[in-house]
Amino acid sequence: AQTVTQSQPEMSVQEAETVTLSCTYDTSESDYYLFWYKQPPSRQMILVIRQEAYKQQNATENRFSVNFQKAAKSFSLKISDSQLGDAAMYFCAYSPAGGTSYGKLTFGQGTILTVHP
Amino acid sequence: EPEVTQTPSHQVTQMGQEVILRCVPISNHLYFYWYRQILGQKVEFLVSFYNNEISEKSEIFDDQFSVERPDGSNFTLKIRSTKLEDSAMYFCASLKGHMNTEAFFGQGTRLTVV
Repeated sequence: AQTVTQSQPEMSVQEAETVTLSCTYDTSESDYYLFWYKQPPSRQMILVIRQEAYKQQNATENRFSVNFQKAAKSFSLKISDSQLGDAAMYFCAYSPAGGTSYGKLTFGQGTILTVHP
Repeated sequence: EPEVTQTPSHQVTQMGQEVILRCVPISNHLYFYWYRQILGQKVEFLVSFYNNEISEKSEIFDDQFSVERPDGSNFTLKIRSTKLEDSAMYFCASLKGHMNTEAFFGQGTRLTVV
């Protein structure tokens, strides 16, 4: 079974600074997808960034980028130029690329990010 | 922009009562999911649904739970006899498929069992 681990229950960052959230996962599959979701106090789940395992290039979305290390099964999220609106719970998630579990998300425990003005 | 809609946003029910949580997925999506999140904990997979049948279910999804897509539009989660530990946020999600792997989540239904 796949597992996703976020070892940082809480992180904090100063506004305009950079912060990195860690995530490791375990799978025997070679093809899969990894995601970072943001959950603000409203509890809506918002997709931040997605990475296909077959792509060597790290995904980027504006101020958000990932460091995907497939061999190490590591998938960290870097937030640059942090803004107050980035404060939220962040979840790392894994999804198989096919089979009966296609699209099924396995989430990590989450990291609460606090942004200080 | 199309979105997944869930109703109600908050439901309070007495222990032992049946509840139905409703979701309207995005219209051209083919895969549907229910997740739950107990307050302060991680989001857990409950069930996936494709081609009018359950694809996979977790150990949480016992005989008290059922899902339906009765009219090709709504996707419902029924809990037959609620327990206190069913209190959680329930999220519906849909996914288009065909290599499009972005799951769109509804805003959630907060279920409180008293």
